Amino acid sequence: AQSVTQLDSQVPVFEEAPVELRCNYSSSVSVYLFWYVQYPNQGLQLLLKYLSGSTLVKGINGFEAEFNKSQTSFHLRKPSVHISDTAEYFCAVSLSGGYNKLIFGAGTRLAVHP
Amino acid sequence: GAGVSQSPRYKVTKRGQDVTLRCDPISSHATLYWYQQALGQGPEFLTYFNYEAQPDKSGLPSDRFSAERPEGSISTLTIQRTEQRDSAMYRCASSEAGNGELFFGEGSRLTVL
Repeated sequence: AQSVTQLDSQVPVFEEAPVELRCNYSSSVSVYLFWYVQYPNQGLQLLLKYLSGSTLVKGINGFEAEFNKSQTSFHLRKPSVHISDTAEYFCAVSLSGGYNKLIFGAGTRLAVHP
Repeated sequence: GAGVSQSPRYKVTKRGQDVTLRCDPISSHATLYWYQQALGQGPEFLTYFNYEAQPDKSGLPSDRFSAERPEGSISTLTIQRTEQRDSAMYRCASSEAGNGELFFGEGSRLTVL
């Protein structure tokens, strides 16, 4: 079975600083990997996904993530955050070739301070 | 519709009552999912539909939970004899088959007193 661990429940950071949100997964088979963002009072929105190919994936709003198979990680990064990036971020995994049943991590709350 | 729509947004009920939550997916999407999200946790898979078929309902926590999608479009999630532990956000999502992107509604927050 697949599982996802988000190592930080909360990450405080100052505006314009870089940020990394960590995600590790476990699976014995090939997987697809995703990051979703949830802004207050809204539904979850896809930030980026890794299905195959280049291990560095770029998403919306200047975010990127790198798939590291040997470390079973998919950490999310942004070189300079804005106040508007304050939200909850969820890492998720699904079986490759599957029907997109996503297994989510518990989430990381990113708080950007001025 | 333009996005995934869920109703009601908020539902407060007494223990033992039945509740039904509704999801109207993006009209072109074949696949529809239901997730349950407890406070401070990530969404947990309940079940999914491919058109009207329900191939996987392994995440439904008990036989009090059931879901339908009779015409392959709108879906309902029904919880019978609600218990306090059923209190959660219930999220619906839809997707085109196989592209890895789920579109989520804003959710229905259920509170069981």
